[in-house]
Amino acid sequence: AQSVTQPDIHITVSEGASLELRCNYSYGATPYLFWYVQSPGQGLQLLLKYFSGDTLVQGIKGFEAEFKRSQSSFNLRKPSVHWSDAAEYFCAVGARYGNKLVFGAGTILRVKS
Amino acid sequence: GAVVSQHPSWVICKSGTSVKIECRSLDFQATTMFWYRQFPKQSLMLMATSNEGSKATYEQGVEKDKFLINHASLTLSTLTVTSAHPEDSSFYICSAPDRGNEQYFGPGTRLTVT
Repeated sequence: AQSVTQPDIHITVSEGASLELRCNYSYGATPYLFWYVQSPGQGLQLLLKYFSGDTLVQGIKGFEAEFKRSQSSFNLRKPSVHWSDAAEYFCAVGARYGNKLVFGAGTILRVKS
Repeated sequence: GAVVSQHPSWVICKSGTSVKIECRSLDFQATTMFWYRQFPKQSLMLMATSNEGSKATYEQGVEKDKFLINHASLTLSTLTVTSAHPEDSSFYICSAPDRGNEQYFGPGTRLTVT
């Protein structure tokens, strides 16, 4: 069965500090992987996506993610967090681009000044 | 970028009544749209796939007679919650992929059943 695990429900980091949000997936085929951010009152916004190629993927807002097949992971990183990054982040997996997605439980990021 | 809208953004209805939620792709056509449900502090769970011109495909455990989906046109899908009960209170989100398979999410509809 397809599943996505985000082990951290909440993470708090100081502004300017680095960030890593963890994501592990279970998928029977080659996965299409996504990271989305959800802010209150706004729809999910795609940060980045991966299917093949370079395992380090660059996204918007300074985010990047690294695909590690051996660990079934797709962790999201940012070198320096800004207060505006406070939001909920979802990792998701799908069979292809534009298809239905299986989401992780989400990680709520709090940024302290 | 492409935009997907939902209407209403929030709705309160009485138990036993029905409520309709609209999902529109504003500047692209979508033959497929997806409906998700998000409980407080939980993840999004796929409810069904809405297909223009054909019946919706429901995920296991989702009652198709309770959650009626109609993909009326290439830019509009509707989700009707029939005979709503308090346990149907949730956040309903739709998404739609454009021709390039870039997927866009609506802002969600908060349903509260009293």
